[in-house]
Amino acid sequence: QQQVKQSPQSLIVQKGGISIINCAYENTAFDYFPWYQQFPGKGPALLIAIRPDVSEKKEGRFTISFNKSAKQFSLHIMDSQPGDSATYFCAAGYFGNEKLTFGTGTRLTIIP
Amino acid sequence: KAGVTQTPRYLIKTRGQQVTLSCSPISGHRSVSWYQQTPGQGLQFLFEYFSETQRNKGNFPGRFSGRQFSNSRSEMNVSTLELGDSALYLCASSLVSLSYEQYFGPGTRLTVT
Repeated sequence: QQQVKQSPQSLIVQKGGISIINCAYENTAFDYFPWYQQFPGKGPALLIAIRPDVSEKKEGRFTISFNKSAKQFSLHIMDSQPGDSATYFCAAGYFGNEKLTFGTGTRLTIIP
Repeated sequence: KAGVTQTPRYLIKTRGQQVTLSCSPISGHRSVSWYQQTPGQGLQFLFEYFSETQRNKGNFPGRFSGRQFSNSRSEMNVSTLELGDSALYLCASSLVSLSYEQYFGPGTRLTVT
């Protein structure tokens, strides 16, 4: 019940296109859903996060869509750029607990 | 503001040895969490320390232990190293506020031979 399932495993998108990564969770107690971006040789960097009281959150070119009834959330990267090429991880956690459960990661490649 | 720092960045150890990794959180952050990252298992939570006390623990054997000092710096120790312990060990710090955002360090790459 603690799993977070992430898809696709890898994604190739043309420059300027929209990159979409999906995650599904099982534990309805989760109430915090962050996305992390990781470049080779670096630690994950917090990109954007959402709580279940909203269905969408946008920060620049990055948008999280959240569907509480379906227990799914997704990351949309608009106008994808080569610099966005990285591995993206979704995660889930719950209030009062610093433990995050991570998805398996999506390797995103933006081609010119 | 300086980010999370981890030392050493790279480490090579032999099976059976023990190792200690260090993490300095962002100034003012009181919680430090440790994660193991491997290609096969992804990012897995090891444990979390807050005010020198372990608050949360993942599903790792007792060979993995940690501690936190009064200045919030944390160390992680792995005893009797196994080949499967080869991984990137990441620490993350947080303010422990309602936002509970966690910020990761660059990690320590441990190779066990």
